[in-house]
Amino acid sequence: DAKTTQPPSMDCAEGRAANLPCNHSTISGNEYVYWYRQIHSQGPQYIIHGLKNNETNEMASLIITEDRKSSTLILPHATLRDTAVYYCIVRVVSSGGGNKLTFGTGTQLKVEL
Amino acid sequence: DAGITQSPRHKVTETGTPVTLRCHQTENHRYMYWYRQDPGHGLRLIHYSYGVKDTDKGEVSDGYSVSRSKTEDFLLTLESATSSQTSVYFCAISDRTGAYNEQFFGPGTRLTVL
Repeated sequence: DAKTTQPPSMDCAEGRAANLPCNHSTISGNEYVYWYRQIHSQGPQYIIHGLKNNETNEMASLIITEDRKSSTLILPHATLRDTAVYYCIVRVVSSGGGNKLTFGTGTQLKVEL
Repeated sequence: DAGITQSPRHKVTETGTPVTLRCHQTENHRYMYWYRQDPGHGLRLIHYSYGVKDTDKGEVSDGYSVSRSKTEDFLLTLESATSSQTSVYFCAISDRTGAYNEQFFGPGTRLTVL
């Protein structure tokens, strides 16, 4: 699986967009990009995933560069409850399903007033 | 929230004793996973299951065994606990195949081995 690089921490003002970058320069053509977050000591929570097209859901948007070597998770209007560790994960989708995820150390996002 | 419970939620034990952690789900999901989380390492996969009696090793499986005799329960056993196994353990489940493999995580079990 491709290795990912994320900044260890970021700050964001409440109500502003939070843009979390992830570098995955060794990604291969059949690897997806997944984002999870972990609030305080809770279990991680799935946010979004994508292959090469930009994706949007009710939680966030995922922007993947054309060469797929990096991506950005966007929380459009960050709130204090978005303070969490955000994990960018790159993974080949196995034909049998049940993908194993490899979590790095992620980005600690702190949303402040 | 997905119906996942872990028991116990907290446990303190001594080196050399056996420990079993339980993950119970009410979602009838096929896949179940055990992760451990340590400072500076994020989450690391210990073992996973792709069906009843079907399990496989993850990246940090040494010192751990698992069993899954029914869909809803996935047990993680430390045969002889060591201090290096002090960690927070998370169970996860998933059901979809293909790319959309959203994993739902339990609340975690904090294990301290003295």
